[in-house]
Amino acid sequence: QVQLVESGGGVVQPGRSLRLSCAASGFTFSSYGMHWVRQAPGKGLEWVAVISYDGSNKYYADSVKGRFTISRDNSKNTLYLQMNSLRAEDTAVYYCAKVGKSVEQQLVQGPDRRLDYWGQGTLVTVSS
Amino acid sequence: DIVMTQTPLSLSVTPGQPASISCKSSQSLLHSDGKTYLYWYLQKPGQPPQLLIYEVSNRFSGVPDRFSGSGSGTDFTLKISRVEAEDVGVYYCMQSIQLSWTFGQGTKVEIK
Repeated sequence: QVQLVESGGGVVQPGRSLRLSCAASGFTFSSYGMHWVRQAPGKGLEWVAVISYDGSNKYYADSVKGRFTISRDNSKNTLYLQMNSLRAEDTAVYYCAKVGKSVEQQLVQGPDRRLDYWGQGTLVTVSS
Repeated sequence: DIVMTQTPLSLSVTPGQPASISCKSSQSLLHSDGKTYLYWYLQKPGQPPQLLIYEVSNRFSGVPDRFSGSGSGTDFTLKISRVEAEDVGVYYCMQSIQLSWTFGQGTKVEIK
């Protein structure tokens, strides 16, 4: 079954950096786009970034553009989020999530933009 | 960015009774490819979100048939035909017609 396990969260001072990881299993990681979504304490969901199956295309929310970088290592079945110049408002639980269909399925069946499986999340606290 | 507005923001329902949540988008979610990129998620307490409905009305694998989605353009609805205790949590609509996904504020559903 699909498993997504985030790690790398913790307490970090404003202006510093942190790298999150998301270890994937139970599916062919290299065939699926992946997302990061965050949730500030007691708040709603905010989409952060998406990366295509091969890493060639990346899109970001305006709130993180220029500070965060999404990447992946398909040989390690791992998704990353490099977070630089962190701010207090970046404090949140960060979830990774997979796209619903593989690139092969989308070529035949058309685009799929759903986030179908999510990890349990990792908490990032930005505080001095 | 497209703004998603959900109503109501909270709902208290008697078990066995129906419930309905509305989601309105600031722009049409009908893409030129013919698909409407509107989804519904449920986040149960202490858990990550889980996909309920994709592309307006398609139930995701394992989702009970008491959940249904409808709507078009900018107006969408999630209905629960008979609410059960396990349905408590926060429901979110989400759009992805542009390559920038946005969520509604969430609707908290409680059991009376």
